[in-house]
Amino acid sequence: DARVTQTPRHKVTEMGQEVTMRCQPILGHNTVFWYRQTMMQGLELLAYFRNRAPLDDSGMPKDRFSAEMPDATLATLKIQPSEPRDSAVYFCASGLVRDGQVEGKETQYFGPGTRLLVL
Amino acid sequence: KNQVEQSPQSLIILEGKNCTLQCNYTVSPFSNLRWYKQDTGRGPVSLTIMTFSENTKSNGRYTATLDADTKQSSLHITASQLSDSASYICVVRPMEYGNKLVFGAGTILRVKS
Repeated sequence: DARVTQTPRHKVTEMGQEVTMRCQPILGHNTVFWYRQTMMQGLELLAYFRNRAPLDDSGMPKDRFSAEMPDATLATLKIQPSEPRDSAVYFCASGLVRDGQVEGKETQYFGPGTRLLVL
Repeated sequence: KNQVEQSPQSLIILEGKNCTLQCNYTVSPFSNLRWYKQDTGRGPVSLTIMTFSENTKSNGRYTATLDADTKQSSLHITASQLSDSASYICVVRPMEYGNKLVFGAGTILRVKS
């Protein structure tokens, strides 16, 4: 069955290193979301795309984080340089907004997450 | 300030029993309210989505209710199963475009045999 896939599943890196996380949304979905989850903050929305265009990235620290969709089958979240406070689980989710459907009501399907530890 | 508060923080119940989780929010106006279930080590799974005009939505043994007047939502789980053990997260989407989703901290439910 169709699933959102994320790579890598786990990443340990040193402070200052670049980290790239990848997401393959469900084929045919036109919205992609990046979330971060920590024990202290819970779930936070970092960015979301519709038809590959960024619609909202206000939740993302702009100085070190960047999110892109090079094509419809790949979304990336990059952190450069990484810091220990970036340690979290990063989830990607995708959804389908149909023509005429109210945006924001689509079901989001989450990937398994990338568990990032920055030392 | 837009906030979503969930209660209780954690809950332990016996298999087969019913339970109700609460979500109080101050987000207003809002577009929709969602409940997610998140198993340990996994991504959240959507259970229900309700717009401001809906007051109940069911998904199997899960029933969500919404009272827009009191700004409260609840998630009722009927005949609980061991597999219901998870974190349940309430999320509210503000009506105004550009406002970020507001997440609750979640309720951790443990179902014991």
